[in-house]
Amino acid sequence: EIVLTQSPATLSLSPGERATLSCRASQSVTRYLAWYQQKPGQAPRLLIYDASNRATGVPARFSGSGSGTDFTLTISSLEPEDFAVYYCQQRQHWPPLTFGGGTKVEI
Amino acid sequence: QVRLVESGGGVVQPGMSPRLSCEVSGFTFSDYVIHWVRQAPGKGLEWVACIWYDGSDKYYGESVKGRFTISRDNSKNRVYLQMDSLNAEDTAVYYCAKAGLIRGQGEFFDSWGQGTLVSVSS
Repeated sequence: EIVLTQSPATLSLSPGERATLSCRASQSVTRYLAWYQQKPGQAPRLLIYDASNRATGVPARFSGSGSGTDFTLTISSLEPEDFAVYYCQQRQHWPPLTFGGGTKVEI
Repeated sequence: QVRLVESGGGVVQPGMSPRLSCEVSGFTFSDYVIHWVRQAPGKGLEWVACIWYDGSDKYYGESVKGRFTISRDNSKNRVYLQMDSLNAEDTAVYYCAKAGLIRGQGEFFDSWGQGTLVSVSS
């Protein structure tokens, strides 16, 4: 099973600042990594798939990069609605599909 | 637009066998793999199971293998999750989610239901 480790667990930032979230895989997932945003009481929302492809309707301030074992989600300038928990997920080696433990972006 | 609606959750006693349902609309149901993902209270996301677009293949997470059964009825645009031998560790919000690419080409989740809470308690 591929283990995804997200860091940091919590990121404390202010609106307008840049957020950099990391996801590291226990073995290569090539580029088959996705990122999701989850707000309290809501279902997750797909942001990025296959490392760098923005999902439909996702603002351009969200970008993904990386390959192999190291991936990054960058939010270029935080908006108030971006404060949430972010998860990465791999689909290179499955079953099982696996998620990281999440990074909480807080004010 | 794409819509997934789960039902069937609630408070259940250990050992009971509820069945969750996911009704979908807004896309060609028979072209997409459908997944169940769960989230225990205050915890992260855990993939539970999926069923191939034509029902030919099914896959399960280790924690539910042998206890949960996924099925689908393409004539009714529904996916089901039969949950047997429940225990407290199965307490979670259960989401159904649509695969991102057609016919098994991409197992990420581009649309999610609102979730249904299953609470296992005596």
